[in-house]
Amino acid sequence: KNEVEQSPQNLTAQEGEFITINCSYSVGISALHWLQQHPGGGIVSLFMLSSGKKKHGRLIATINIQEKHSSLHITASHPRDSAVYICAPYFGNEKLTFGTGTRLTIIP
Amino acid sequence: DAGVIQSPRHEVTEMGQEVTLRCKPISGHDYLFWYRQTMMRGLELLIYFNNNVPIDDSGMPEDRFSAKMPNASFSTLKIQPSEPRDSAVYFCASSFDRGWGNTIYFGEGSWLTVV
Repeated sequence: KNEVEQSPQNLTAQEGEFITINCSYSVGISALHWLQQHPGGGIVSLFMLSSGKKKHGRLIATINIQEKHSSLHITASHPRDSAVYICAPYFGNEKLTFGTGTRLTIIP
Repeated sequence: DAGVIQSPRHEVTEMGQEVTLRCKPISGHDYLFWYRQTMMRGLELLIYFNNNVPIDDSGMPEDRFSAKMPNASFSTLKIQPSEPRDSAVYFCASSFDRGWGNTIYFGEGSWLTVV
């Protein structure tokens, strides 16, 4: 079964802290999206990666295909980063499988 | 480009009524996906199209749900008759070349409440 686990489920941090959200999956994948969803809002794909590391502003995503693990990091976190972050891998087909999400709250 | 456009943004309807959700994908994208999001089940893929052709509808809950894509710039998701358990946020998304090598773009969602 294609399973996706995210941790933590909820994370509260002070503004400025370094944030790490983890994603593990059960079998090999071809690629993985990190998605962001603000409360009551739409969904945005932050990254699509199949190997290595990608950086966009204060966001960094890494993936280790052999270990079946990906992480999303946020440096110098800000209250506007408060959102749900969802790991979504492709298990060899066009369908995304979604993790349960990590609810991040950054306190000023 | 305006992004993926969905309508309506919000709909409240009575049980038994027909509901039609609409989606305009990003021009040039050849994949279109319909997702449903609920508190209990999270995000689920309902159906997706490639070049206007339905590829996989195994996520469609039951015969009350149907989806069409008559052309490259328009798709509908219809629920008839609607039931309270259909209350959810329905997202449309589009991508180019399967989304494996390209970012997938989501619409703002259609918030459906069936009472």
